[in-house]
Amino acid sequence: NAGVMQNPRHLVRRRGQEARLRCSPMKGHSHVYWYRQLPEEGLKFMVYLQKENIIDESGMPKERFSAEFPKEGPSILRIQQVVRGDSAAYFCASSPGQGGQPQHFGDGTRLSIL
Amino acid sequence: EDKVVQSPLSLVVHEGDTVTLNCSYEVTNFRSLLWYKQEKKAPTFLFMLTSSGIEKKSGRLSSILDKKELFSILNITATQTGDSAVYLCAGGSQGNLIFGKGTKLSVKP
Repeated sequence: NAGVMQNPRHLVRRRGQEARLRCSPMKGHSHVYWYRQLPEEGLKFMVYLQKENIIDESGMPKERFSAEFPKEGPSILRIQQVVRGDSAAYFCASSPGQGGQPQHFGDGTRLSIL
Repeated sequence: EDKVVQSPLSLVVHEGDTVTLNCSYEVTNFRSLLWYKQEKKAPTFLFMLTSSGIEKKSGRLSSILDKKELFSILNITATQTGDSAVYLCAGGSQGNLIFGKGTKLSVKP
């Protein structure tokens, strides 16, 4: 009964490159959430997706960031033209539905920008 | 603006002590209050509270919600070194969770 799987665990990119973070939800979960955690800060919501739909992207920066959750395969968080300030831990969570059910988190991807 | 505030930010106790962690919230369309334990990796789910006054328990941990005063507490009795972690509180509304900055608990032998 695998939990939320994120990969890679660590990702190093140079400024200007693209970063792709992947998340496979728990079995039976159709709702995916992405959060960012900066050092000494709490987890900040970025985007909430269901299969093939973005439900809420109010926490996502307007430029360079995008997310998808295709019909087949994992959810992808994509950061284009990365900058030093994008360095953070990115966590994915999933739940079976929207209301009344807790979100379960993956181990995160630590993104470092050189 | 939605916010969740936890106190204290850090706490150092000795094994066997009892601790109480606090969480106050202001969340639009509030539905639930969740507690997580974060060690080095994934936040691990502890409790989800939706009703006032009903205590949830799991072993030495317990939690309760007050929806009138907009706060929750997490109690840990007979603490052990394995309880050392950051404890996160989050308010849930339509889908996303609003997290506090966490309480860092250190339990010394």
